[in-house]
Amino acid sequence: GESVGLHLPTLSVQEGDNSIINCAYSNSASDYFIWYKQESGKGPQFIIDIRSNMDKRQGQRVTVLLNKTVKHLSLQIAATQPGDSAVYFCAENIGEYRNKLVFGAGTILRVKS
Amino acid sequence: NAGVMQNPRHLVRRRGQEARLRCSPMKGHSHVYWYRQLPEEGLKFMVYLQKENIIDESGMPKERFSAEFPKEGPSILRIQQVVRGDSAAYFCASSQTLNQPQHFGDGTRLSIL
Repeated sequence: GESVGLHLPTLSVQEGDNSIINCAYSNSASDYFIWYKQESGKGPQFIIDIRSNMDKRQGQRVTVLLNKTVKHLSLQIAATQPGDSAVYFCAENIGEYRNKLVFGAGTILRVKS
Repeated sequence: NAGVMQNPRHLVRRRGQEARLRCSPMKGHSHVYWYRQLPEEGLKFMVYLQKENIIDESGMPKERFSAEFPKEGPSILRIQQVVRGDSAAYFCASSQTLNQPQHFGDGTRLSIL
């Protein structure tokens, strides 16, 4: 079936350290993936996306890596800050019209000062 | 630029009543999506609409739920004869085209008494 899952439900890191959040997906035909950040009481906020013709994409302090061989995604956050504390979701864009996001359960990132 | 606007932010209904959730997409976005989120879970796709058309409603419950996106005005998610199990956060997203990032509103938290 279609599913996107996360390995670690909670990740605690020290302020200033790098964070790595992992995600596995099951649909080998998927070609577009997005990472979202969700803070309490708010909607998911777009962080970064990657298409299957790429292995790596960088943004401001964030990097997404895609390994199609093992169907694995990761989000790396450099120099993690207290404001990065949130729930992080990876999502897989599927559907006949590429209109449907399938979300994983989420990883809670806690940043310790 | 205003983001995706949803209202109300919180809605309380008694069992058997109707709930109407509204969503105004980002300016220039003609693709609208509705998702439901239960506590400590990822978002689940419900329906995808373009102006005046329902394109994919594969995630919508077969009964009591309907959605529309009229030519003028916001998209509406309507739940008739609500039950306790409908309590959730309902998020709307919009995108400029298909297979592009979906941008989310801050959701409507629906509570059923």
